[in-house]
Amino acid sequence: DVKVTQSSRYLVKRTGEKVFLECVQDMDHENMFWYRQDPGLGLRLIYFSYDVKMKEKGDIPEGYSVSREKKERFSLILESASTNQTSMYLCASSRNTGELFFGEGSRLTVL
Amino acid sequence: AQRVTQPEKLLSVFKGAPVELKCNYSYSGSPELFWYVQYSRQRLQLLLRHISRESIKGFTADLNKGETSFHLKKPFAQEEDSAMYYCAFRGGFQKLVFGTGTRLLVSP
Repeated sequence: DVKVTQSSRYLVKRTGEKVFLECVQDMDHENMFWYRQDPGLGLRLIYFSYDVKMKEKGDIPEGYSVSREKKERFSLILESASTNQTSMYLCASSRNTGELFFGEGSRLTVL
Repeated sequence: AQRVTQPEKLLSVFKGAPVELKCNYSYSGSPELFWYVQYSRQRLQLLLRHISRESIKGFTADLNKGETSFHLKKPFAQEEDSAMYYCAFRGGFQKLVFGTGTRLLVSP
């Protein structure tokens, strides 16, 4: 069964803290993605990666960075969390043919 | 710019009524269009894609290039169809652009 696992379902952090969100897929997919999901705004792409050590900015990369050292793992990093980064973060992976498989999401609250 | 528009934030219907969730896109080339669905407390998942031209859970969607639309339809809504529906579009490379979503509520 296809599986994308996000390590943290719920996090509460303080403004200025560094935050790591981890995502692992077991399907040997080339592509991995980080989206944030906000009511009324839908899903917005933060970063994506089409290969190990490769990354591309999405539509809203400001305040975020990513790391993909291994094919199965894609990490999202908030260097200095801010309250406007309170959101649901969704990781996804895909082969080049296209269907995205999503994780369950990580709900981040920044106080 | 590549964009997907879902004009309705909420669509409320009664069980057995027809449903149409609207999706329009802006792209001059040949797009790939998808509908994703998120049921309560479940992860987002693919419902259907236009190249498959199949019906999933009674839902169909036809790509209309002239109107740049990919509306999702079902003739008779069921309570279990209540969910958040996202239209998504791929115009190039591998990234998907999603719409803002439409919440479908089907009442008994």
